[in-house]
Amino acid sequence: GAGVSQTPSNKVTEKGKYVELRCDPISGHTALYWYRQSLGQGPEFLIYFQGTGAADDSGLPNDRFFAVRPEGSVSTLKIQRTERGDSAVYLCASSPGLAGVGSSYNEQFFGPGTRLTVL
Amino acid sequence: AQKITQTQPGMFVQEKEAVTLDCTYDTSDQSYGLFWYKQPSSGEMIFLIYQGSYDEQNATEGRYSLNFQKARKSANLVISASQLGDSAMYFCAMRDRAGNMLTFGGGTRLMVKP
Repeated sequence: GAGVSQTPSNKVTEKGKYVELRCDPISGHTALYWYRQSLGQGPEFLIYFQGTGAADDSGLPNDRFFAVRPEGSVSTLKIQRTERGDSAVYLCASSPGLAGVGSSYNEQFFGPGTRLTVL
Repeated sequence: AQKITQTQPGMFVQEKEAVTLDCTYDTSDQSYGLFWYKQPSSGEMIFLIYQGSYDEQNATEGRYSLNFQKARKSANLVISASQLGDSAMYFCAMRDRAGNMLTFGGGTRLMVKP
């Protein structure tokens, strides 16, 4: 079946511009996650959704970053007034649901990422 | 807060030999999960293996095994019979009791020599 897809694969923008990054999760997966991976580092959590609601947005670095998932499927990460420091690969992942206390793992399936370059 | 430490920025291994990639973690939770992911140069994150904090046996998946030492808070990945295609970045990650997000380490770049 189809995996997690992300568009665009690459985005080059100028400082101060607005960008939107899209994530299509695996069909039926209710949980969706956004991570940011800077060059040479591990991914860092940004936000995750259970259904349509943001269950935890504690990883968003500031109020220029916002994400939505209006119908509980596709999600869009929005970055306003981009800065050069926003340049990174933005990874999206989905899982069948949320892991509960004491439950077995709930594997997160990752998309290929969107490489954002802010000039 | 959780923290994952991978102290080996780069590792070389000869093809067909075994290699151990180190991972230590810090958490105050009793219930947590540990993951290893592989990231080839193409960029996608590929799940390899999982260990739950209450699992009594070390996890194994084919050529991958996880050497879990709970008292030491370490979860090292062992790859047996290395192959050229194993050359990639490897990330250790943890999911804690309260959240569902993964906390990743800084990664280890593994290079398999023919």
